Amino acid sequence: DAGVIQSPRHEVTEMGQEVTLRCKPISGHNSLFWYRQTMMRGLELLIYFNNNVPIDDSGMPEDRFSAKMPNASFSTLKIQPSEPRDSAVYFCASSPPLGGGNEQYFGPGTRLTVT
Amino acid sequence: KNEVEQSPQNLTAQEGEFITINCSYSVGISALHWLQQHPGGGIVSLFMLSSGKKKHGRLIATINIQEKHSSLHITASHPRDSAVYICAAYPYGGSQGNLIFGKGTKLSVKP
Repeated sequence: DAGVIQSPRHEVTEMGQEVTLRCKPISGHNSLFWYRQTMMRGLELLIYFNNNVPIDDSGMPEDRFSAKMPNASFSTLKIQPSEPRDSAVYFCASSPPLGGGNEQYFGPGTRLTVT
Repeated sequence: KNEVEQSPQNLTAQEGEFITINCSYSVGISALHWLQQHPGGGIVSLFMLSSGKKKHGRLIATINIQEKHSSLHITASHPRDSAVYICAAYPYGGSQGNLIFGKGTKLSVKP
């Protein structure tokens, strides 16, 4: 199993540009999570999907952030327009359909730098 | 006050030492997750436990539900164990997305 796949691994962009981060969960997993990690705040949940449906997006910072999961094998996190304070590592994780409190499997992360 | 507290924040050990990292939480939980994040940034799941003790190689995780406390032990530590160790709690009755993360413990093992 390839594990959770994220792309790109690194992204450097200028303020105001649109950024799209991609995630492919582990096959068979039905929950997908987007996290942001910064030195100041640690890991924060942005949004999570269950069976491709957004369940909780209360962690999404503001309207500049949006996430989609068009099918069970693909999700995107988009930032438009990007700002320097969005610089962070963004992790995607997935978990299998076994009920609440299931082990999450993390992708390698996308390191985003907004200048 | 963070609902999940880890201690110590930073830990330096000599190779071969026995290491303990602590995690305390203030909410009722259904499970607790120990994660390892290496300097390269990747996050690896070490243990998921809701009671008792689990062991994998040199790593041992314990949890005391009544005391709301979990520990991660590393026996015969090695420089390759150097990483940030994060505990994360699933609040009881919460959904999968309600994982509450500790701030992490940065471990450095010197040869």
